Amino acid sequence: DQQVKQNSPSLSVQEGRISILNCDYTNSMFDYFLWYKKYPAEGPTFLISISSIKDKNEDGRFTVFLNKSAKHLSLHIVPSQPGDSAVYFCAAQASNAGGTSYGKLTFGQGTILTVHP
Amino acid sequence: EAGVAQSPRYKIIEKRQSVAFWCNPISGHATLYWYQQILGQGPKLLIQFQNNGVVDDSQLPKDRFSAERLKGVDSTLKIQPAKLEDSAVYLCASSLDRGYEQYFGPGTRLTVT
Repeated sequence: DQQVKQNSPSLSVQEGRISILNCDYTNSMFDYFLWYKKYPAEGPTFLISISSIKDKNEDGRFTVFLNKSAKHLSLHIVPSQPGDSAVYFCAAQASNAGGTSYGKLTFGQGTILTVHP
Repeated sequence: EAGVAQSPRYKIIEKRQSVAFWCNPISGHATLYWYQQILGQGPKLLIQFQNNGVVDDSQLPKDRFSAERLKGVDSTLKIQPAKLEDSAVYLCASSLDRGYEQYFGPGTRLTVT
């Protein structure tokens, strides 16, 4: 049962253009969403996150949008740079009734982003 | 600040052999996670520790996998006996506490032949 899905295995974009990576989830208990970036032979590194009480979070060139009703989030990178070429993972967390995060991350399959000079 | 350390980085074993991985989290981090990442998939949580206690091991194949975190610092993950389908990257992550940012180590790539 894939609770977090990234349906695009790969994305190719020209330098300077916008990259849009998409993610869908099924578990209504998820209340915090994160994007991780992974280079070969390295562990994932945190990029940006969003709480379920927001619909947008921006950090420099990176913006994450959350549509709770559609259970969909997206990561926008503007402008894209060759150094952004990596695998991007969408991940989700849930909290208990008291609002304490379980901590555990549920990941999507990843999208390979290639930014061409 | 030193990151999460893992060793070995690579390991090749034959099926039915045993193997152990080691993780040293960031100093002061109470929560430690082991994830398994099979090629083409996202990381999947195997076990989560809070200090030296297990919080979640629901997806750990307990007939062959075991893990411990003695003294609430370093952790080891063991597989005995290994199967072909255990070929994956094993990632260790730590966070200050549950819900805080998780920092990942470089992983151990296991190949079972």
